[in-house]
Amino acid sequence: ELKVEQNPLFLSMQEGKNYTIYCNYSTTSDRLYWYRQDPGKSLESLFVLLSNGAVKQEGRLMASLDTKARLSTLHITAAVHDLSATYFCAVARTSYGKLTFGQGTILTVHP
Amino acid sequence: GAVVSQHPSWVICKSGTSVKIECRSLDFQATTMFWYRQFPKQSLMLMATSNEGSKATYEQGVEKDKFLINHASLTLSTLTVTSAHPEDSSFYICSARDRDLTGRFLEQYFGPGTRLTVT
Repeated sequence: ELKVEQNPLFLSMQEGKNYTIYCNYSTTSDRLYWYRQDPGKSLESLFVLLSNGAVKQEGRLMASLDTKARLSTLHITAAVHDLSATYFCAVARTSYGKLTFGQGTILTVHP
Repeated sequence: GAVVSQHPSWVICKSGTSVKIECRSLDFQATTMFWYRQFPKQSLMLMATSNEGSKATYEQGVEKDKFLINHASLTLSTLTVTSAHPEDSSFYICSARDRDLTGRFLEQYFGPGTRLTVT
């Protein structure tokens, strides 16, 4: 059974600081996703990582994937308040598309 | 990107009644759609996989007779919560996946969700 674990589950940051969210998964997968969820809303796709060593960046967020370590990271650079949200990683069980989600990381950015 | 819609966005129903939630892919054909449930401050849990023209595949522990899924066309899947109870109150989110010309699964697009409250 595929397990996906995020760390930390709660993250309180000051504006301007950097931090990293980690996503570990238990079995081989060919793709990993990062999503953002605002309160009361559905998921917004941030990144799709398809291969070992993949790195993608959008604004202050950068995601990377190490398939050998079964680890993905979401790095936040110079955090701003607008980044406050819950961030989920999800791993595709197969190319068929079923996703297993991590627990989510609740990010709060303080002035 | 592709758009997935859900209707209704929120619904309140009485215990014992049934509620139908629609999920539509607006600008692409989705042979497969997924239904998730999310309780407050928790993660998303996959309930079932909906395949156009065939029976849905349910995850372990999900009652197929309670959560009826129909995928009648390439753009529409419905989830019916039958004989709803307060513990069925949750945020239900569907997603649909797109494919490239070789059939390889690409991105998965999520609907805006439906908040169900059973009183």
